Amino acid sequence: QKEVEQNSGPLSVPEGAIASLNCTYSDRGSQSFFWYRQYSGKSPELIMFIYSNGDKEDGRFTAQLNKASQYVSLLIRDSQPSDSATYLCAVRPSPRTDSWGKLQFGAGTQVVVTP
Amino acid sequence: DTEVTQTPKHLVMGMTNKKSLKCEQHMGHRAMYWYKQKAKKPPELMFVYSYEKLSINESVPSRFSPECPNSSLLNLHLHALQPEDSALYLCASSQDSLRQGVRETQYFGPGTRLLVL
Repeated sequence: QKEVEQNSGPLSVPEGAIASLNCTYSDRGSQSFFWYRQYSGKSPELIMFIYSNGDKEDGRFTAQLNKASQYVSLLIRDSQPSDSATYLCAVRPSPRTDSWGKLQFGAGTQVVVTP
Repeated sequence: DTEVTQTPKHLVMGMTNKKSLKCEQHMGHRAMYWYKQKAKKPPELMFVYSYEKLSINESVPSRFSPECPNSSLLNLHLHALQPEDSALYLCASSQDSLRQGVRETQYFGPGTRLLVL
């Protein structure tokens, strides 16, 4: 079982619709969860982080965390063509399992927003 | 200001060359990282410098050698690389790796695109 799992996509979303991205993780003691956006050929850019159960909203982005289900998601409302990118889910595991701040990355979900 | 800078942006080198990648941050962060990213794959952690202590991913070959001249600079020395080392090399920094506070976040630089011929 991979430590962090995401659907690779591509996830095709009509412009103006909601894109829903999912991520599951295996370490129940994981503390912090991050969503990075990566355009082709560019470096990852942090768009959201969450560490408490529930929802966290920032503009058109909402991160949702359910630690009991070991599940974190990202919603992108009013999707725009500029949202077309790969979205990486990253998890900081329990300090008991890692002592040097390693982030565990999922494989990424490619999102394609079609006009 | 969440800027991490990396130079050069692109690098082409032969298998017998020695080169260095440079990374700098001015955010007062105490942890810096080198990642390697192949196409359509997530970043893979290579090295971490935190409070002047180096941690190594043991799968990284010795032809990669990190150096941390001070808390804001991180270099990656390259020697006798192989074509399979061609990748995007990413530097990142975060405030305090040792404490691992829940809010601690890694910020990436723009990367160096390396091609080994």
